[in-house]
Amino acid sequence: DIQMTQSPSSLSASVGDRVTIACQASQHIRNYLNWYQQKPGKAPKLLIYDASNLETGVPSRFSGSGSGTDFTFTISSLQPEDIATYYCQQYDTLPTFGQGTRVEIK
Amino acid sequence: EVQLLESGGGLVQPGGSLRLSCAASGFTFTSYALSWVRQAPGKGLEWVATISDGGGSRYYAESVRGRFTISRDNSKNTVDLQMNSLRVEDTAVYYCVKGRYINYRGAADVWGQGTMVTVS
Repeated sequence: DIQMTQSPSSLSASVGDRVTIACQASQHIRNYLNWYQQKPGKAPKLLIYDASNLETGVPSRFSGSGSGTDFTFTISSLQPEDIATYYCQQYDTLPTFGQGTRVEIK
Repeated sequence: EVQLLESGGGLVQPGGSLRLSCAASGFTFTSYALSWVRQAPGKGLEWVATISDGGGSRYYAESVRGRFTISRDNSKNTVDLQMNSLRVEDTAVYYCVKGRYINYRGAADVWGQGTMVTVS
């Protein structure tokens, strides 16, 4: 299995801050990576697919980049409604998720 | 509106069986893979199984292979997960998920609301 390692596991930032989450794959996965947002008590929601493509209807403050083994997810200006846990997921082989990054407001 | 609605969750004893079902609507069911993803209480997401668009290919996580079976009925727009030999560690919310393509590749772009399975 391909292991996905996210960092940090949690972070606290102020409204308007730029937030960055890293995701590292244990082997090359090309750009076969997605990012999901999960709010408490809710199902996950797809935000970014194929490493850098914004899903329809998702605000443009969310973005993704990377290829190979190292990927980055960014919120350009953190909003109160962005409080959630974020997961990366690879699909180069049978899917695996990162352990998640909890984002809180400072 | 694209929708996935799970049912069948509940409380079961270790070693027992349970069958989850997911009813899909609002999209061309036969064109996409369907999957199950689970989340243990307070834990992260774990992919469980995927069935291809036509049902000819099935993929399983190592943790459930040989115990769980995914199936679909393209005439009824439903996908099921038969869970046998259940273990305490199978306790989780189980989400039905639509894939973007015909197999496990691609994003999970539609999620159901989830159904809780408790093994105790």
